[in-house]
This record gives sequence, structure tokens and C-alpha cells, in this order.
Amino acid sequence: DAGITQSPRYKITETGRQVTLMCHQTWSHSYMFWYRQDLGHGLRLIYYSAAADITDKGEVPDGYVVSRSKTENFPLTLESATRSQTSVYFCASAKRGGPFRDTQYFGPGTRLTVL
Amino acid sequence: GQQLNQSPQSMFIQEGEDVSMNCTSSSIFNTWLWYKQDPGEGPVLLIALYKAGELTSNGRLTAQFGITRKDSFLNISASIPSDVGIYFCAGQEGETSGSRLTFGEGTQLTVNP
Repeated sequence: DAGITQSPRYKITETGRQVTLMCHQTWSHSYMFWYRQDLGHGLRLIYYSAAADITDKGEVPDGYVVSRSKTENFPLTLESATRSQTSVYFCASAKRGGPFRDTQYFGPGTRLTVL
Repeated sequence: GQQLNQSPQSMFIQEGEDVSMNCTSSSIFNTWLWYKQDPGEGPVLLIALYKAGELTSNGRLTAQFGITRKDSFLNISASIPSDVGIYFCAGQEGETSGSRLTFGEGTQLTVNP
């Protein structure tokens, strides 16, 4: 039972480079989310997706692009990385249906450093 | 957007002591969640609260959904060293699992043996 995985776990890149963070879940959850975690800000939502081919902006979407061609994958791309995007990125998923009873499960995170 | 105030920001306690932390919101939430994050890992759900006034326990953890739906607290009784970590509250506005979560900034708990 793999659950939700993220890759890479650690990434160092340079300003201006394109970077893609991968997220994969084996539960066939409908919903998937990307958060970034920074000191003093807790977890902030970047993008989320309600189903394949349906995505929407969260609180801090600027500089990020997402896609969801398959239910189980939700990659996050930084098209031109900036130092302010140095952060820890978490992916989460949740299943559809059943009011109240389901919630979001998080991956282990990707620590991204932009030099 | 929604604002969650979580306090305290950090706690240093002795093993065996009880711990209490809370979150308050400027707006109403339909669900309150409490997560724990260990170093280098993602948050793990501890307790979920779905009704105003609800009191729920999970082992040594007890959490309550405030009557006004704008606050929640988490208590940990008889703390042990493995309780160390960051505890986050999160509020969910909608009624399904896809509803967006708003997170507090976390409480860093240190337990001295």
C-alpha cells in the first residue's frame, strides 16, 4: 500500500530553471492538492484538482503550473524558478464522496532549494 | 482569505505533563482537523471534528470543536518523548473532502525526558 508519494525528495536548482515536482497516489482519490510550507506561514495551498483535467488556483499560485491528465498523478511545475520558491512542497489527496468523513492525506514532501 | 491563529507557537514541557493548544478563526468552519508533523515528513491526521461542540479522543489526545465553530483545542495528556513535533490545526469550509483547508502556523512541541 504505497499511498501517496512525492519525487524527488530533495532538489537543488538555479534561478530561471524549470523544475517539476511529481506526486503520485495509489488510492484513486479524486482530489489532489499542492501546498508549500515556509517558516512563519504554515501550509499554503498552491493549486488543487477535483478530478482529472480539472484544476484550480489556491492561495499562492503565481509562478506555478499544474496538470492532471491521470487521476493518480498531479505534477507541479515551476516554469522559471525564483529564490522565493525555496520551500518544502507537500502534495495531498482526498477521496470524493461522503460529506465530512474524508480528509486530506499528505505525502512526505519535497525540499526545494533555488540558488 | 481565512485566518487561523494557533497558539502557542512553541512549548517546552517535561515528560508526563499535559499539553493544551488551540486555534481560533475569524470565520466559521464546518470541519476542524488536527495534524502532527514529524521532522522530514508530511502532516499526519490525528483527529477530525465534524460538529460544533463535538469532543473526540484518540488515545491520549482529545480535541474539541468549539460551539461558535470558530475555534478548536487539542489536549495531550501524560506527554511522552515521541509526542515531539509540530502540531497543526486546519479548518475546512465546505462539506466534502475536496474543500480547501486553511492551516494554522503550527505549535512546536518539545518534550524533555
